[in-house]
Amino acid sequence: SQQGEEDPQALSIQEGENATMNCSYKTSINNLQWYRQNSGRGLVHLILIRSNEREKHSGRLRVTLDTSKKSSSLLITASRAADTASYFCATDDWGYQKVTFGTGTKLQVIP
Amino acid sequence: DTAVSQTPKYLVTQMGNDKSIKCEQNLGHDTMYWYKQDSKKFLKIMFSYNNKELIINETVPNRFSPKSPDKAHLNLHINSLELGDSAVYFCASSQEGRGLGNTIYFGEGSWLTVV
Repeated sequence: SQQGEEDPQALSIQEGENATMNCSYKTSINNLQWYRQNSGRGLVHLILIRSNEREKHSGRLRVTLDTSKKSSSLLITASRAADTASYFCATDDWGYQKVTFGTGTKLQVIP
Repeated sequence: DTAVSQTPKYLVTQMGNDKSIKCEQNLGHDTMYWYKQDSKKFLKIMFSYNNKELIINETVPNRFSPKSPDKAHLNLHINSLELGDSAVYFCASSQEGRGLGNTIYFGEGSWLTVV
């Protein structure tokens, strides 16, 4: 079964607004990553946060991690039309040798 | 230069046929993967190879057989294709496959449609 579940499944916002996506997972993790997938393309890595970190920034991206709640959030500030894509969280399970992807949030940014 | 390249990008074939998807990475990574993404966008790992050695084999029908001639190539052969095999198959690679948080680099995907 999927490790992570994103919420919401779909999100539509106006350009310039902030977009927040959440990811919940089930087991203890080493790291959590966020990826973006443009329509018809492969996934592209955005940011990684380690289990001992609580917050990380990269440009307009802000990721938080709450290991006690087994959840993470991705905030995209000042969204642009080019941010329209699906966003996936990915976790690597403690003791396992694989990265498991969540169900994804489809973000639409309206110009 | 494309880091992870896979061919073909589109493949339409009839049930019962055998087909292959090829993948090559020029990143010098030790680990390569095959993922399957279904129509609901669920992305599920199928196989993982580290330096030509199979390290992850999820519950995939044995009609699917990966082959890694060297650490830069990981091909996927599918026998006796079924309608349910229709999906997008992604090849990917990373430097370290042990879940230590290395970035996974994806190919552009191969759209397989079985009719």
